[in-house]
Amino acid sequence: ELKVEQNPLFLSMQEGKNYTIYCNYSTTSDRLYWYRQDPGKSLESLFVLLSNGAVKQEGRLMASLDTKARLSTLHITAAVHDLSATYFCAVDSGTYKYIFGTGTRLKVLA
Amino acid sequence: EADIYQTPRYLVIGTGKKITLECSQTMGHDKMYWYQQDPGMELHLIHYSYGVNSTEKGDLSSESTVSRIRTEHFPLTLESARPSHTSQYLCASRGSMSTDTQYFGPGTRLTVL
Repeated sequence: ELKVEQNPLFLSMQEGKNYTIYCNYSTTSDRLYWYRQDPGKSLESLFVLLSNGAVKQEGRLMASLDTKARLSTLHITAAVHDLSATYFCAVDSGTYKYIFGTGTRLKVLA
Repeated sequence: EADIYQTPRYLVIGTGKKITLECSQTMGHDKMYWYQQDPGMELHLIHYSYGVNSTEKGDLSSESTVSRIRTEHFPLTLESARPSHTSQYLCASRGSMSTDTQYFGPGTRLTVL
């Protein structure tokens, strides 16, 4: 059974700092997704990673995928307050059924 | 721009009532999903569908049913609501391209008294 773990669960960081969120999964998959959720809102797609070594960047966020290590990272560069949100990774179990991670609640302090 | 709609957005009902949460998308996506999410917590898959007349159970399906008679419509029914059903329900859809992601509706926030 596919399990997806994220860490940390909570992250409080100063503006301007860098940090990385980790997403580990338990069985083979080469499709991984990152989403953002603001409080009280729905999920918004950030990145689609479809192969080993895939790297995507959008603004201050960069996501990568290592399928051999079963690990994806979401790197935040020079954080700003607007990045405060909960970030989820999701892994395709192989049949377009998605298993979500526990989420990382990010708070960027001014 | 993804067009996926959910109604109602908020619902407060009493225990034992039967309710249907509506979800519609205008993108012609074949795959649709229902998730349950407590505030700030992980998403749990309730049901999903690969197309018309196709439905599959997720992890939390035992107390609800779905139907997929039309491509654009994927309603979720709770036969007898309980306080434990109090949560947010998110509908999502996905196209057939390998590069596609899931697009989420705005959610229905359900409170069962």
